[in-house]
Amino acid sequence: DAKTTQPTSMDCAEGRAANLPCNHSTISGNEYVYWYRQIHSQGPQYIIHGLKNNETNEMASLIITEDRKSSTLILPHATLRDTAVYYCIVRAGGTSYGKLTFGQGTILTVHP
Amino acid sequence: EAQVTQNPRYLITVTGKKLTVTCSQNMNHEYMSWYRQDPGLGLRQIYYSMNVEVTDKGDVPEGYKVSRKEKRNFPLILESPSPNQTSLYFCASSRPGVVETQYFGPGTRLLVL
Repeated sequence: DAKTTQPTSMDCAEGRAANLPCNHSTISGNEYVYWYRQIHSQGPQYIIHGLKNNETNEMASLIITEDRKSSTLILPHATLRDTAVYYCIVRAGGTSYGKLTFGQGTILTVHP
Repeated sequence: EAQVTQNPRYLITVTGKKLTVTCSQNMNHEYMSWYRQDPGLGLRQIYYSMNVEVTDKGDVPEGYKVSRKEKRNFPLILESPSPNQTSLYFCASSRPGVVETQYFGPGTRLLVL
Protein backbone atom coordinates (compact mmCIF):
# COMPACT_ATOMS: atom_id res chain seq x y z
CA ASP A 1 0.00 0.00 0.00
CA ALA A 2 1.21 3.46 -0.82
CA LYS A 3 2.37 5.57 2.09
CA THR A 4 0.42 8.74 2.84
CA THR A 5 1.54 12.00 4.40
CA GLN A 6 -0.85 14.38 6.11
CA PRO A 7 -0.32 17.52 8.16
CA THR A 8 -0.48 16.88 11.88
CA SER A 9 -3.11 19.49 12.56
CA MET A 10 -5.26 22.15 10.94
CA ASP A 11 -7.71 24.80 12.05
CA CYS A 12 -10.86 25.99 10.35
CA ALA A 13 -13.50 28.58 11.16
CA GLU A 14 -17.04 27.37 11.51
CA GLY A 15 -19.01 27.80 8.29
CA ARG A 16 -15.89 27.93 6.13
CA ALA A 17 -14.59 25.18 3.91
CA ALA A 18 -12.03 22.84 5.44
CA ASN A 19 -9.47 21.58 2.94
CA LEU A 20 -7.44 18.64 4.19
CA PRO A 21 -4.48 17.61 2.02
CA CYS A 22 -2.93 14.20 1.63
CA ASN A 23 0.20 13.24 -0.28
CA HIS A 24 0.50 9.77 -1.77
CA SER A 25 3.28 10.14 -4.30
CA THR A 26 3.90 6.39 -4.66
CA ILE A 27 0.28 5.48 -5.37
CA SER A 28 -0.25 2.74 -7.93
CA GLY A 29 -2.80 2.73 -10.72
CA ASN A 30 -5.16 0.33 -8.97
CA GLU A 31 -5.04 1.98 -5.55
CA TYR A 32 -8.00 3.88 -4.17
CA VAL A 33 -7.86 6.84 -1.84
CA TYR A 34 -10.13 6.49 1.20
CA TRP A 35 -10.92 9.03 3.89
CA TYR A 36 -12.13 8.17 7.36
CA ARG A 37 -12.55 10.32 10.42
CA GLN A 38 -12.65 9.66 14.14
CA ILE A 39 -14.52 11.96 16.45
CA HIS A 40 -13.14 11.89 19.97
CA SER A 41 -12.62 8.18 20.68
CA GLN A 42 -15.67 7.07 18.73
CA GLY A 43 -15.31 4.39 16.08
CA PRO A 44 -13.78 5.65 12.83
CA GLN A 45 -16.33 6.67 10.25
CA TYR A 46 -16.02 6.26 6.50
CA ILE A 47 -16.30 9.54 4.60
CA ILE A 48 -15.52 9.07 0.93
CA HIS A 49 -13.25 7.27 -1.53
CA GLY A 50 -11.98 7.82 -5.07
CA LEU A 51 -9.77 6.35 -7.76
CA LYS A 52 -9.17 8.96 -10.44
CA ASN A 53 -12.14 11.25 -10.68
CA ASN A 54 -13.28 13.79 -8.17
CA GLU A 55 -16.05 12.54 -5.95
CA THR A 56 -18.77 14.17 -3.89
CA ASN A 57 -21.26 12.81 -1.42
CA GLU A 58 -23.42 14.23 1.32
CA MET A 59 -20.48 14.53 3.68
CA ALA A 60 -17.60 15.82 1.60
CA SER A 61 -15.83 16.20 -1.71
CA LEU A 62 -12.63 14.50 -2.76
CA ILE A 63 -10.34 16.15 -5.25
CA ILE A 64 -7.59 13.95 -6.71
CA THR A 65 -4.85 15.54 -8.76
CA GLU A 66 -4.41 14.42 -12.33
CA ASP A 67 -1.16 12.60 -11.53
CA ARG A 68 -2.91 11.05 -8.48
CA LYS A 69 0.01 11.88 -6.23
CA SER A 70 -2.07 13.96 -3.89
CA SER A 71 -5.66 14.58 -2.92
CA THR A 72 -7.74 16.99 -0.88
CA LEU A 73 -10.75 16.27 1.25
CA ILE A 74 -13.13 19.22 1.32
CA LEU A 75 -15.76 19.77 3.99
CA PRO A 76 -17.68 22.60 2.33
CA HIS A 77 -19.21 24.20 5.41
CA ALA A 78 -17.39 22.98 8.48
CA THR A 79 -19.27 22.79 11.76
CA LEU A 80 -18.03 22.31 15.29
CA ARG A 81 -19.10 18.66 15.02
CA ASP A 82 -16.55 18.16 12.24
CA THR A 83 -13.74 18.51 14.77
CA ALA A 84 -12.04 15.13 14.50
CA VAL A 85 -8.96 13.24 13.36
CA TYR A 86 -9.08 12.68 9.59
CA TYR A 87 -7.27 9.72 8.06
CA CYS A 88 -6.23 9.37 4.44
CA ILE A 89 -5.66 5.74 3.44
CA VAL A 90 -4.51 4.32 0.14
CA ARG A 91 -5.43 0.74 -0.70
CA ALA A 92 -5.49 -1.39 -3.83
CA GLY A 93 -8.95 -2.47 -4.86
CA GLY A 94 -10.13 -5.73 -3.35
CA THR A 95 -7.02 -6.28 -1.22
CA SER A 96 -8.08 -5.03 2.18
CA TYR A 97 -9.30 -8.40 3.48
CA GLY A 98 -10.80 -6.44 6.33
CA LYS A 99 -7.64 -4.60 7.27
CA LEU A 100 -7.00 -0.89 7.20
CA THR A 101 -3.67 0.68 8.09
CA PHE A 102 -4.23 3.99 9.83
CA GLY A 103 -1.51 6.61 9.98
CA GLN A 104 -1.49 9.48 12.43
CA GLY A 105 -4.03 11.50 10.50
CA THR A 106 -4.80 15.23 10.66
CA ILE A 107 -6.39 16.72 13.74
CA LEU A 108 -8.94 19.19 12.42
CA THR A 109 -10.20 21.75 14.90
CA VAL A 110 -13.21 23.79 13.87
CA HIS A 111 -13.57 26.90 15.98
CA PRO A 112 -16.47 29.33 16.34
CA GLU B 1 -30.32 0.08 11.27
CA ALA B 2 -27.01 -1.22 9.96
CA GLN B 3 -24.55 -1.32 12.79
CA VAL B 4 -21.69 -2.96 14.62
CA THR B 5 -22.24 -3.42 18.33
CA GLN B 6 -19.72 -4.14 21.05
CA ASN B 7 -20.16 -5.19 24.65
CA PRO B 8 -19.23 -4.16 27.17
CA ARG B 9 -18.47 -0.53 26.37
CA TYR B 10 -16.38 -0.08 29.49
CA LEU B 11 -14.61 -2.70 31.55
CA ILE B 12 -12.29 -2.61 34.53
CA THR B 13 -10.65 -5.90 35.41
CA VAL B 14 -7.61 -7.31 37.18
CA THR B 15 -4.54 -8.99 35.80
CA GLY B 16 -5.11 -12.60 34.84
CA LYS B 17 -8.89 -12.65 34.91
CA LYS B 18 -10.16 -13.95 31.58
CA LEU B 19 -12.54 -11.72 29.70
CA THR B 20 -14.43 -11.62 26.42
CA VAL B 21 -15.47 -8.58 24.44
CA THR B 22 -18.31 -9.36 22.08
CA CYS B 23 -18.79 -7.91 18.61
CA SER B 24 -21.82 -8.35 16.40
CA GLN B 25 -22.82 -6.94 13.02
CA ASN B 26 -26.17 -7.06 11.25
CA MET B 27 -24.98 -6.33 7.71
CA ASN B 28 -24.11 -9.89 6.69
CA HIS B 29 -20.49 -8.84 6.18
CA GLU B 30 -17.86 -11.46 5.51
CA TYR B 31 -14.92 -9.50 6.91
CA MET B 32 -14.56 -8.61 10.56
CA SER B 33 -11.60 -7.14 12.45
CA TRP B 34 -10.42 -6.07 15.85
CA TYR B 35 -8.27 -3.02 16.41
CA ARG B 36 -6.76 -1.44 19.46
CA GLN B 37 -6.02 2.24 19.81
CA ASP B 38 -3.38 3.69 22.09
CA PRO B 39 -2.18 7.29 22.44
CA GLY B 40 0.58 8.06 19.97
CA LEU B 41 0.29 4.67 18.27
CA GLY B 42 -2.93 5.09 16.34
CA LEU B 43 -5.14 2.16 15.42
CA ARG B 44 -3.45 -1.22 15.11
CA GLN B 45 -5.11 -4.38 13.90
CA ILE B 46 -5.18 -7.33 16.31
CA TYR B 47 -6.96 -10.06 14.36
CA TYR B 48 -9.17 -10.28 11.34
CA SER B 49 -11.53 -12.80 9.84
CA MET B 50 -12.39 -13.20 6.20
CA ASN B 51 -15.31 -15.52 6.85
CA VAL B 52 -16.71 -18.08 9.26
CA GLU B 53 -13.97 -20.27 10.72
CA VAL B 54 -11.30 -18.21 8.91
CA THR B 55 -9.19 -15.97 11.13
CA ASP B 56 -5.70 -14.53 10.88
CA LYS B 57 -3.31 -12.45 12.90
CA GLY B 58 -3.04 -8.74 12.44
CA ASP B 59 -0.17 -6.57 13.57
CA VAL B 60 -0.47 -7.03 17.35
CA PRO B 61 -2.06 -10.43 18.09
CA GLU B 62 -0.06 -11.37 21.19
CA GLY B 63 -2.23 -11.98 24.23
CA TYR B 64 -5.48 -12.17 22.28
CA LYS B 65 -7.67 -14.89 20.80
CA VAL B 66 -10.64 -14.70 18.49
CA SER B 67 -13.22 -17.04 17.08
CA ARG B 68 -15.67 -16.80 14.19
CA LYS B 69 -18.29 -19.50 14.59
CA GLU B 70 -21.07 -17.39 13.14
CA LYS B 71 -20.94 -14.79 10.43
CA ARG B 72 -22.36 -12.02 12.57
CA ASN B 73 -20.21 -12.49 15.69
CA PHE B 74 -16.49 -12.04 16.26
CA PRO B 75 -15.60 -12.10 19.98
CA LEU B 76 -12.22 -10.97 21.27
CA ILE B 77 -10.85 -13.08 24.12
CA LEU B 78 -8.17 -12.07 26.58
CA GLU B 79 -7.21 -15.29 28.35
CA SER B 80 -4.94 -13.64 30.90
CA PRO B 81 -5.16 -9.86 30.63
CA SER B 82 -2.19 -7.75 31.57
CA PRO B 83 -1.92 -4.00 32.21
CA ASN B 84 -0.34 -3.43 28.78
CA GLN B 85 -3.65 -4.49 27.26
CA THR B 86 -5.32 -1.45 28.74
CA SER B 87 -6.61 0.23 25.61
CA LEU B 88 -9.56 1.29 23.50
CA TYR B 89 -10.78 -1.55 21.31
CA PHE B 90 -12.76 -1.34 18.10
CA CYS B 91 -14.49 -4.02 16.11
CA ALA B 92 -15.14 -3.45 12.41
CA SER B 93 -16.85 -5.23 9.56
CA SER B 94 -16.87 -4.93 5.80
CA ARG B 95 -17.88 -6.70 2.64
CA PRO B 96 -15.22 -7.89 0.19
CA GLY B 97 -15.09 -6.09 -3.10
CA VAL B 98 -13.05 -3.71 -5.20
CA VAL B 99 -14.08 -0.97 -2.81
CA GLU B 100 -14.19 -1.99 0.84
CA THR B 101 -15.87 0.34 3.28
CA GLN B 102 -15.38 -0.59 6.91
CA TYR B 103 -18.01 -0.02 9.56
CA PHE B 104 -16.74 0.39 13.08
CA GLY B 105 -18.32 -0.32 16.41
CA PRO B 106 -18.52 2.29 19.19
CA GLY B 107 -15.48 0.99 21.03
CA THR B 108 -14.74 -0.80 24.30
CA ARG B 109 -12.55 0.94 26.82
CA LEU B 110 -10.63 -1.62 28.87
CA LEU B 111 -8.60 -0.99 32.00
CA VAL B 112 -6.52 -3.85 33.38
CA LEU B 113 -5.24 -3.28 36.91
